[in-house]
Amino acid sequence: EAQVTQNPRYLITVTGKKLTVTCSQNMNHEYMSWYRQDPGLGLRQIYYSMNVEVTDKGDVPEGYKVSRKEKRNFPLILESPSPNQTSLYFCASSPSSVQETQYFGPGTRLLVL
Amino acid sequence: AQSVTQPDIHITVSEGASLELRCNYSYGATPYLFWYVQSPGQGLQLLLKYFSGDTLVQGIKGFEAEFKRSQSSFNLRKPSVHWSDAAEYFCAVGPGGYNKLIFGAGTRLAVHP
Repeated sequence: EAQVTQNPRYLITVTGKKLTVTCSQNMNHEYMSWYRQDPGLGLRQIYYSMNVEVTDKGDVPEGYKVSRKEKRNFPLILESPSPNQTSLYFCASSPSSVQETQYFGPGTRLLVL
Repeated sequence: AQSVTQPDIHITVSEGASLELRCNYSYGATPYLFWYVQSPGQGLQLLLKYFSGDTLVQGIKGFEAEFKRSQSSFNLRKPSVHWSDAAEYFCAVGPGGYNKLIFGAGTRLAVHP
């Protein structure tokens, strides 16, 4: 089944404790992206990747890192999480660009205490 | 700066009634336009998209949207709403040439039996 998976789905952590949210797609897509969803703000793009080893900032990249060492994986790294990063995070992928249909993962709900 | 406005935060309709969700964007040229739906606890799914050509676009689940350049709008419509349409709906703009997607804040739809 074609899908985007994220792990973990739910995470509670404390300020400053490094964490990684994994994202994997099995559709051989080149484009992958991370979003955060906050009430009243919709989805905001954090980082995106056009292909392996090619990443770029979205609109809210501060406090986040990403890497794209393999085509299928695009982990999101919070090196020193803060409470304002409490949010719902979505990973998405599309064949080659954001103009094509994006396929979204189920989301990761993060609470930073 | 590019922006997307969804004026209605919440809308309630009766099952069988018609529906129109509003979306306005700010962008210098004709952008790529999308409507996504998020069912409770789920990721986002593409309903329809517009790039060029016929300004009336048909999507999945009986939805359609009309691009009106003069009004910078891309409103979503459905002639007869079903209870399963209760969800949150997001309009998004993909500025051509850039691989970023800008989402509106969303409209939450409730359907009364």
